Formats: sequence, C-alpha cells, structure tokens
Amino acid sequence: SQQGEEDPQALSIQEGENATMNCSYKTSINNLQWYRQNSGRGLVHLILIRSNEREKHSGRLRVTLDTSKKSSSLLITASRAADTASYFCATGPNAGKSTFGDGTTLTVKP
Amino acid sequence: DAMVIQNPRYQVTQFGKPVTLSCSQTLNHNVMYWYQQKSSQAPKLLFHYYDKDFNNEADTPDNFQSRRPNTSFCFLDIRSPGLGDAAMYLCATSRPGQGYNEQFFGPGTRLTVL
Repeated sequence: SQQGEEDPQALSIQEGENATMNCSYKTSINNLQWYRQNSGRGLVHLILIRSNEREKHSGRLRVTLDTSKKSSSLLITASRAADTASYFCATGPNAGKSTFGDGTTLTVKP
Repeated sequence: DAMVIQNPRYQVTQFGKPVTLSCSQTLNHNVMYWYQQKSSQAPKLLFHYYDKDFNNEADTPDNFQSRRPNTSFCFLDIRSPGLGDAAMYLCATSRPGQGYNEQFFGPGTRLTVL
C-alpha cells in the first residue's frame, strides 16, 4: 500500500476560503513533500519539510509536520480558482525514491 | 528555461504493438524516474536511473523496459501494451545534494491502447 494517504479525497470550497488537506504515513521519513497536479499535467513541487522541522511557510502555503503522529497538513490560505488541482504528499527518501499518496482533489469555486 | 520534456504528449497504440515514450531534460540532473499514473490515483514508480545505474521496482512488469543513453535522455519501452497499460506516464528528474527528493516533472504522455 502507499506510504502516504491523503485526507480528504476531495475538497470543494469557495474562493477566499482556506483549504486544509492532511497526509498520513506509515514509516520513518527524512522529509515530506507536497506537490500540485493540474488536470492532465505533470506534478509541480510546492514545498519540502524535513523531519526535524515542524512548520514551514511559502507564500499562501503552510505545511506542518508531526512525526510523532506520522502526519502532515497543507494549508492554502485565501484560495483562488487557480488553486483548483490535485495535491499529493510524498515521503522519502527511501533508496532515493519518494512514495506518493493518492492525493486530494481541491476545487475552488469562483 | 531548464525543463523536462516528454514526447509525444499523446500516444495511441494498438494492443500488443510496441511503443516508446521519450523524456529529455536540460537540468543536468543525475536521477531520472518513470511513473505510471492512472486516473485519480497516485503516481506509481516504475523504475529510476541514478546516472547509468538502473533501479527497477519489484512490481514493475517485465513488459516495461527503459533505456538511458546519456544524461539528457531516457526512454520507456512498452513491449506489448495491454489495455491495462493505458495511463499517463510521467518522467521526473532530481539532483542529489540539492533537495535530493525534489523532483521535477515533465507534462506527461497520455497513452491510449486500442
């Protein structure tokens, strides 16, 4: 089974609202990353948080990591229609590889 | 701009007819990955190269092969595509020592098997 599991599977919000999605994983990690995928496109790296970090910010993104609970959350503040995409967490490294979760599909309505 | 390029973007093949997907990068990254992604699912790693060293995932079918003739190019060969191989195929690169796990993805090739 996948290392990372996202929750919820789908999220629909209004423009301007905040969106929170969660990722849980099973084994120890060195870092955790979040990626965005627009429909029919490749993935784009958003942010990486290392296992010794608890919180990280990048623009409207805020990522937290709780290694004791083996979970991470991605918060997108003041969402925009352009944020509509699928969001994946990926854990690693394991022999140089990352393992992706099943993703959260975010829809931001104008 | 440095990037990961995949050709073609859309590929249609017939059941059992070999097909090759290509990936090129201008990032000069050591590591190149091939993923298979089916609708609404996570990308599934098929294999990756660290320089010329090939690393196959245990559950990657023998039907899938790869070649990396040089740093810039990597190919995915599907020897006898089945209907279940219809998917998006994603190529990605990364550079050890510089955010080792940050991967840079190409736009993908959508494979249809008739």
